[in-house]
Amino acid sequence: SYALTQPPSVSVSPGQTASITCSGDNLGDKYVCWFQQRPGQSPVLVIYQDNKRPSAIPERFSGSNSGNTATLTISGTQAMDEADYYCQSWDKTAGVFGGGTKLTVL
Amino acid sequence: EVQVVESGGGLVQPGGSLRLSCAASGFSFSTLWMHWVRQAPGKGLVWVSRVNWDGSGIDYAESVRGRFTISRDNAKNMLYLQMNDLRVEDTALYYCAGSPNFDYWGQGTLVSVSS
Repeated sequence: SYALTQPPSVSVSPGQTASITCSGDNLGDKYVCWFQQRPGQSPVLVIYQDNKRPSAIPERFSGSNSGNTATLTISGTQAMDEADYYCQSWDKTAGVFGGGTKLTVL
Repeated sequence: EVQVVESGGGLVQPGGSLRLSCAASGFSFSTLWMHWVRQAPGKGLVWVSRVNWDGSGIDYAESVRGRFTISRDNAKNMLYLQMNDLRVEDTALYYCAGSPNFDYWGQGTLVSVSS
């Protein structure tokens, strides 16, 4: 079955740029969404169709997808961005989530 | 205001059944794909099932196919998940989510399968 692989953890200093990767076979041929999940809260969509931002999401969140890797980039990372992040895509008719990446802002 | 509220979770023995419900409002429920996504305690998100706007298109994760049934009632803005032959590994927080890009999520309802 199709799998999406994310690093378990990423650390970033406040104000710096955080990059979270998501890898899968020919992932660049598929659309990718990214979700933020803070502790005890439901997931929130932050990027859809590879690089589009919902209106309520700050501009510092951006996405890209090419080859076998999709990347979520957070510019000027803030303490409030500390959370788990999940990528998601589709393998034919089956939804697939990555294993999640814990972003630590320190 | 968008509202998605799941209900129906609880404690059930292995082999038992539960029916989850999801009440949606504040968005065009009857035009959107709807999904169930689950999250085991301390673990990641796992897609479970989806249904298209009129119920004619349904897909399941391999792990639940043949045991779970998704359905919807557009007149009531409701989504359902009938879960049969429950297993310990089905223990999770079950979220209802609305597409087109999992834009709308509820707070989840907890299903615990244990003897």
